[in-house]
Amino acid sequence: GQSLEQPSEVTAVEGAIVQINCTYQTSGFYGLSWYQQHDGGAPTFLSYNALDGLEETGRFSSFLSRSDSYGYLLLQELQMKDSASYFCAVWKDKIIFGKGTRLHILP
Amino acid sequence: DSGVTQTPKHLITATGQRVTLRCSPRSGDLSVYWYQQSLDQGLQFLIQYYNGEERAKGNILERFSAQQFPDLHSELNLSSLELGDSALYFCASSPGTSEDEQYFGPGTRLTVT
Repeated sequence: GQSLEQPSEVTAVEGAIVQINCTYQTSGFYGLSWYQQHDGGAPTFLSYNALDGLEETGRFSSFLSRSDSYGYLLLQELQMKDSASYFCAVWKDKIIFGKGTRLHILP
Repeated sequence: DSGVTQTPKHLITATGQRVTLRCSPRSGDLSVYWYQQSLDQGLQFLIQYYNGEERAKGNILERFSAQQFPDLHSELNLSSLELGDSALYFCASSPGTSEDEQYFGPGTRLTVT
């Protein structure tokens, strides 16, 4: 079947670096996207990897390896406002979202 | 502000009832997507419309239906409501048919009592 697996929760310290992994059991998709969602808010687009490799957007980077069926979101210089849920998603004949990773940041 | 609007923001109704959720996409976007998000759950894709036509279907129940109108706004109709239908319903839009960057509206919180 088609599914995306993410850790349910990750905890990190303010100012540190954290990596949120996304593994998948689907193939033939166009690319891997990442979304952020704060409690009570709507998801917002963070990044998209059409090709294998690393994409950097400010403090956030995203990586994709199709051969390893694996991707990750890297958040650097963590700030308290980064406390949120993060979802990976792929588009094949329809969009498929992972269940999300809740990021807790400790001061 | 994503530019996507949804009404109403909150809706409380009883089991067995029918409700309609409305979404206006960003100016220029042709695709509209509907999602359901239950408590502590991820986003469940329901259905996509592109320029008035159904484009992709996800885990949408037969009790649910949607349409996109000529002015590109969309409505999601939920009927014979059950307690389990209580959730946040998001609408998103994108310019094309399979955009990986979608813009989400603020959502409609539906409570079925």
